[in-house]
Amino acid sequence: AAGVIQSPRHLIKEKRETATLKCYPIPRHDTVYWYQQGPGQDPQFLISFYEKMQSDKGSIPDRFSAQQFSDYHSELNMSSLELGDSALYFCASSLSQNYGYTFGSGTRLTVV
Amino acid sequence: SQQGEEDPQALSIQEGENATMNCSYKTSINNLQWYRQNSGRGLVHLILIRSNEREKHSGRLRVTLDTSKKSSSLLITASRAADTASYFCATPYYGGGSQGNLIFGKGTKLSVKP
Repeated sequence: AAGVIQSPRHLIKEKRETATLKCYPIPRHDTVYWYQQGPGQDPQFLISFYEKMQSDKGSIPDRFSAQQFSDYHSELNMSSLELGDSALYFCASSLSQNYGYTFGSGTRLTVV
Repeated sequence: SQQGEEDPQALSIQEGENATMNCSYKTSINNLQWYRQNSGRGLVHLILIRSNEREKHSGRLRVTLDTSKKSSSLLITASRAADTASYFCATPYYGGGSQGNLIFGKGTKLSVKP
């Protein structure tokens, strides 16, 4: 069965650069979520989309933005990167609130 | 504030033993979910227990939920070395107009020695 696809798997950027992470949810899942997980930390919710509209915002810096496109894929745009942005970034999708989320394998972002 | 807090933070057992991890949360919930994460990899959904359920089984996994104590436990029976991973509980958060985004606990790092 198709899973949540994230790209790239690894990304190295320099401080102050920009990065774009992509996520392709499971077909027919109506909600997409983005999470950030620092080393040894639990995942922190960034932002979510329901049927291509932004539904919730968590601890997402103003330097970050995200959108969901007509084909349901989502992109997380990160600008003016800082060393502290180095983390694993996960995308997840779900069909409804009463089902578990399916997570992608994540993008490991390293800012140097 | 976090929805889930877990204990122990780390657990080391021998293969064949049972592993029990506990999770506490702070607000009313619709459901509680457990996830597994191998080092540096994605989170894998293990089991979801609804607020009106008290116990749920899936293979070697047994989850209990006590809404009066706002706590849940995950039991892995007859553990294997391949069960070595971090285990997180997570609850959907509906405060402040949220649509139920998952809030994760700190996780329990399980190490199963062969």
